[in-house]
Amino acid sequence: QVQLVQSGAEVKKPGASVKVSCKASGYTFTTHAIHWVRQAPGQRLELMGWINAGTGKTKYLENFQGRVTITRDTAASTVYMDLSSLRSEDTAVYYCARPVVVARDAFDIWGQGTLVTVSS
Amino acid sequence: SYVLTQPPSVSVAPGKTARITCGGNNIETQSVHWYQQKPGQAPVLVIYYDSDRPSGIPERFSGSNSGNTATLTISRVEAGDEADYYCQVWDSDSDHPGEVFGGGTKLTVL
Repeated sequence: QVQLVQSGAEVKKPGASVKVSCKASGYTFTTHAIHWVRQAPGQRLELMGWINAGTGKTKYLENFQGRVTITRDTAASTVYMDLSSLRSEDTAVYYCARPVVVARDAFDIWGQGTLVTVSS
Repeated sequence: SYVLTQPPSVSVAPGKTARITCGGNNIETQSVHWYQQKPGQAPVLVIYYDSDRPSGIPERFSGSNSGNTATLTISRVEAGDEADYYCQVWDSDSDHPGEVFGGGTKLTVL
């Protein structure tokens, strides 16, 4: 079945970087974008950006411009989200999600989430 | 950027109908998607393109979109429907999308 499986929880110090992976299976990897959405404790879902898995083209939301980098490895059917200059406010669960058809679409498949804790 | 407004909470008795709203300027011109999120779990898509249901989602879940308000309706509410619900749109006129998700509504089954 179609699924996205993410890497495990991370604990990082302020100022460090974190890289979270999202491995896709059950469909042709290059036919869909992959988005990253985060959720701080008790807060709303927040879109960070996405990558066209076929072309590698990325789009980042303004709140994350300059700090987030999304890449993909087509051979491994895996997308990576790298967030730098971490601060305590970045403590959140990070999800990857696949849109139904086009990039700006509903997300019908979600990863299980990766908890990133930023603490000194 | 486009702003989506949801009530923080909605309460309903089992067997009754719950209506969760999502307000936005002229939202009827957008496609609205709805997600259910239970504690400690990833969101699950329950309604997309205003009123379509993904496979596996009960018919009790329905959606509508008119004017400045989109509505998720859950009929014959069950205890298992207790969750946070988020609406989502894409601001199709902007190349730099801002807020994509509403603030979420906690559905409490009394």
